[in-house]
Amino acid sequence: GQQVMQIPQYQHVQEGEDFTTYCNSSTTLSNIQWYKQRPGGHPVFLIQLVKSGEVKKQKRLTFQFGEAKKNSSLHITATQTTDVGTYFCAVLTGGGNKLTFGTGTQLKVEL
Amino acid sequence: NAGVTQTPKFQVLKTGQSMTLQCAQDMNHNSMYWYRQDPGMGLRLIYYSASEGTTDKGEVPNGYNVSRLNKREFSLRLESAAPSQTSVYFCASSGTGSSTEIFGNGTRLTVT
Repeated sequence: GQQVMQIPQYQHVQEGEDFTTYCNSSTTLSNIQWYKQRPGGHPVFLIQLVKSGEVKKQKRLTFQFGEAKKNSSLHITATQTTDVGTYFCAVLTGGGNKLTFGTGTQLKVEL
Repeated sequence: NAGVTQTPKFQVLKTGQSMTLQCAQDMNHNSMYWYRQDPGMGLRLIYYSASEGTTDKGEVPNGYNVSRLNKREFSLRLESAAPSQTSVYFCASSGTGSSTEIFGNGTRLTVT
């Protein structure tokens, strides 16, 4: 089935540093979604990317979809302690009926 | 509040016991999903229901059964719990024409 590789698995940064997580697929994707899960919480939808080369921003978060629609990245500028959590990418599979999630990148932010 | 409601929040079972995890959504969504989350494994799909009256296996269905009771409710049953089923279980739903999923708060299950 569809596999999505997400790297890195963990990232530990000082507050104010930037952070990037990457999601890679061996096949062309119709779209890609990003979710955030706070410690002890549940995944929460952040954004969906559909178009080749698409870039979307949410305050300090920048999401990109690769030109070939096989990869995506989430970049956080000047991390804050509120950014702590695990970030997942997710792609449509099964004829568009379900999502396959990446393994996630756990972000820890130190003061 | 509108959303996905899961019960119970916590559960401890002994090996061989059975239980049903309940999930209900009040957003009139067609599709519902059950995931399990284990450390380092991300979210793995157990079963899903694309519409009322249909259910399909996901990536890790063994040891589980589901029932789509009506459009609102989708339950997950463990007939004979095993320690390997210790996990956090999430229910999610998505609406017609949208693949984005809304998650419940999760059920933390421990099997001893």
